[in-house]
Amino acid sequence: AQSVTQPDIHITVSEGASLELRCNYSYGATPYLFWYVQSPGQGLQLLLKYFSGDTLVQGIKGFEAEFKRSQSSFNLRKPSVHWSDAAEYFCAVGAMENYGGSQGNLIFGKGTKLSVKP
Amino acid sequence: SAVISQKPSRDICQRGTSLTIQCQVDSQVTMMFWYRQQPGQSLTLIATANQGSEATYESGFVIDKFPISRPNLTFSTLTVSNMSPEDSSIYLCSAGTSGYSYNEQFFGPGTRLTVL
Repeated sequence: AQSVTQPDIHITVSEGASLELRCNYSYGATPYLFWYVQSPGQGLQLLLKYFSGDTLVQGIKGFEAEFKRSQSSFNLRKPSVHWSDAAEYFCAVGAMENYGGSQGNLIFGKGTKLSVKP
Repeated sequence: SAVISQKPSRDICQRGTSLTIQCQVDSQVTMMFWYRQQPGQSLTLIATANQGSEATYESGFVIDKFPISRPNLTFSTLTVSNMSPEDSSIYLCSAGTSGYSYNEQFFGPGTRLTVL
């Protein structure tokens, strides 16, 4: 079965420091991978996505993520964190196949809450 | 991309009542989805709503409890019926565009529901 694991529930970094949020997935074929951000009281905003091609993808707000098939990972990175990046981050996997009767379904990880110290 | 709005943004309801949540998309979309996000948890898909067909429900969710309508390509509603405190959650609507990339979903701001 498809699954997404975000091993870090909560991470605190200092403003200006680099950031890496981990995401591991379980899926039998090539997955479609996404990172979403949810600010307090807000809906989800798509940061970036991987469908195929270059395994290093660039997103909005200075984020990037690297797809590593051998490690089943899709970690999110940012070289210098800003206080406004404090939010909850969700990794998600999707598939083209009609999985579980819900074509186009996304499976989400449990999220990583990011706090930023001044 | 698509811009999605939801009404209401939040509500406090009494046990045993029902609430209908509206989801409006600013463009025609093939697929719409309804998710539940319980406190401190990730998103769980309730059902997929395609225009012109019955909604497809995920395991653990039934039509009698969460009836869904999809009258056209820009609008959907989710009703939470006979509510109990366990239904207190954020309910999110999302839309998938057509084509191979319909896995890319755009989310509404959510409806925060509290059941007393």
